[in-house]
Amino acid sequence: ETGVTQTPRHLVMGMTNKKSLKCEQHLGHNAMYWYKQSAKKPLELMFVYSLEERVENNSVPSRFSPECPNSSHLFLHLHTLQPEDSALYLCASSQATGIGTDTQYFGPGTRLTVL
Amino acid sequence: AQSVTQLDSHVSVSEGTPVLLRCNYSSSYSPSLFWYVQHPNKGLQLLLKYTSAATLVKGINGFEAEFKKSETSFHLTKPSAHMSDAAEYFCVVSDPTGNQFYFGTGTSLTVIP
Repeated sequence: ETGVTQTPRHLVMGMTNKKSLKCEQHLGHNAMYWYKQSAKKPLELMFVYSLEERVENNSVPSRFSPECPNSSHLFLHLHTLQPEDSALYLCASSQATGIGTDTQYFGPGTRLTVL
Repeated sequence: AQSVTQLDSHVSVSEGTPVLLRCNYSSSYSPSLFWYVQHPNKGLQLLLKYTSAATLVKGINGFEAEFKKSETSFHLTKPSAHMSDAAEYFCVVSDPTGNQFYFGTGTSLTVIP
């Protein structure tokens, strides 16, 4: 185990539903990340939080809404998703140093299917 | 801008033979480079990272990688493949702030008994 947990592990939702993904890290890190992993595509960094402030948002559609209430928890709120949003969503954490050498610790992911 | 290219989408080796997974990078800065492994239905795990110290980096499970600036490469090697090495491997470069990580498309390693 890496010290990063994600729930749920699997989620099936309709396009009109609202759901949330949860990530929790037990490592004392100060940065957390959401990634999208689709088949045959590189991992896409969606959001970065450092010290609970969002520092990066890579042009992600507004139907994805992140929330970081404290340094240990990260949520991804989902609403009116599209079938092409079906993917594995990975959460990661690191002890951010600001110099690009950080090791990221990944959770097991949430497999999302949008019908 | 930073990017990585993993030259092989699939690599197949026999158990006990050497493993070579290739990665080339592009970076405007002195890069930090990582190799991660992902086993089925699991998250990614760090194998090793290069952060401008020794150019030959040793990682977990007998893997190592060599940073070659002249070739802009960071290939991953292991002298003898084990069945448990079968997984997806990702080469990653980060930007200097650590706020952006650029992943390759991954190399799927199959180990034949």
